[in-house]
Amino acid sequence: GAGVSQSPRYKVAKRGQDVALRCDPISGHVSLFWYQQALGQGPEFLTYFQNEAQLDKSGLPSDRFFAERPEGSVSTLKIQRTQQEDSAVYLCASRIEVGKYNEQFFGPGTRLTVL
Amino acid sequence: DAKTTQPPSMDCAEGRAANLPCNHSTISGNEYVYWYRQIHSQGPQYIIHGLKNNETNEMASLIITEDRKSSTLILPHATLRDTAVYYCIVRAPGSSNTGKLIFGQGTTLQVKP
Repeated sequence: GAGVSQSPRYKVAKRGQDVALRCDPISGHVSLFWYQQALGQGPEFLTYFQNEAQLDKSGLPSDRFFAERPEGSVSTLKIQRTQQEDSAVYLCASRIEVGKYNEQFFGPGTRLTVL
Repeated sequence: DAKTTQPPSMDCAEGRAANLPCNHSTISGNEYVYWYRQIHSQGPQYIIHGLKNNETNEMASLIITEDRKSSTLILPHATLRDTAVYYCIVRAPGSSNTGKLIFGQGTTLQVKP
């Protein structure tokens, strides 16, 4: 069956450009997460959606980062005025329900390189 | 958060059991232990989770000590495709509405022929 998909898989941006990263979660999954993974590090939580509601954005590193999930399915992570320190892999994960202990299914990630 | 400690790297011979340890001495009574792994250039993949009883599924076994301060993930017959970074995670407290995962550095398991 279809898993979590992300696009683009690779993105190169010049410093100062805006970028938009897309996540298509597994159909019917209520919960959606975004994580950021710097080279050689474990993923770090950015933000969480329950359906269309963004319930936790405590991990967003600055106000240049913005995420949305307007219809409770596809989500977009937008980074404005990209900086070199934004270079990382951005991972999206979805979970079937709000239940606390269900597994998260991860997409392959988008590798962002800011020059 | 209940912090986890894992060795940075381990080697295992193909076909042998891989035993990956994790310390979580500050774990709370209602926190679960999760294991995920990340194969190179892929997103993390769920392996198994448990509270206090030992657990087994088609991928692995999870052994949790009686005091719950440590656990071991066992891959019974490691293959080359099991080469990955393995993350031991205790589910973040205060996230009852989210279940966000807090990853550490993990253990890089290298399975050798």
